[in-house]
Amino acid sequence: KNEVEQSPQNLTAQEGEFITINCSYSVGISALHWLQQHPGGGIVSLFMLSSGKKKHGRLIATINIQEKHSSLHITASHPRDSAVYICAPHNTDKLIFGTGTRLQVFP
Amino acid sequence: GAGVSQSPSNKVTEKGKDVELRCDPISGHTALYWYRQSLGQGLEFLIYFQGNSAPDKSGLPSDRFSAERTGGSVSTLTIQRTQQEDSAVYLCASSPPYWGADGTQYFGPGTRLTVL
Repeated sequence: KNEVEQSPQNLTAQEGEFITINCSYSVGISALHWLQQHPGGGIVSLFMLSSGKKKHGRLIATINIQEKHSSLHITASHPRDSAVYICAPHNTDKLIFGTGTRLQVFP
Repeated sequence: GAGVSQSPSNKVTEKGKDVELRCDPISGHTALYWYRQSLGQGLEFLIYFQGNSAPDKSGLPSDRFSAERTGGSVSTLTIQRTQQEDSAVYLCASSPPYWGADGTQYFGPGTRLTVL
């Protein structure tokens, strides 16, 4: 079993839909990152969180440390949100990566 | 300011040759990470440098892989006697010294390595 599981693996949506990507992990962590990888390959760090919830624009990330679960929500999705979203728990000083969720948002 | 830069952006080499990949982190960032992403695969941790501490090499897949960081800044990842399975995008990331304040890692654009 992978240490980090993301669901769904692939997700398609119509513009404007509310998106949820889930991440479950089995290791003890100090924090968790959500990363975005665009088709060109560049990676951007969206959030680092260790408890509760963070919001940045249309993106919201939540984490429940006790349940070892995090979610990334996108409100009012847009085609430019199309990317691979990667959950990366922080274990000691290393990131452990999920396999990613490929999101495609159609106009 | 400038982000993390990596060079070369693309490298094609023949099996058995050695390659060196370079990473210039953001100025002032004490932590530097190397990752790789094989085609169709997820990201994989390779090695981590933090300041002057001994690097965490636990992710290096074999002794053909090594990395150094000179002067706490630029890092070079070296792959000796390259194999076809080494073909991947090698990503470098850096983060600022105050982990508790901002643990965000800033990723470079990557080096795409192709071993023929």
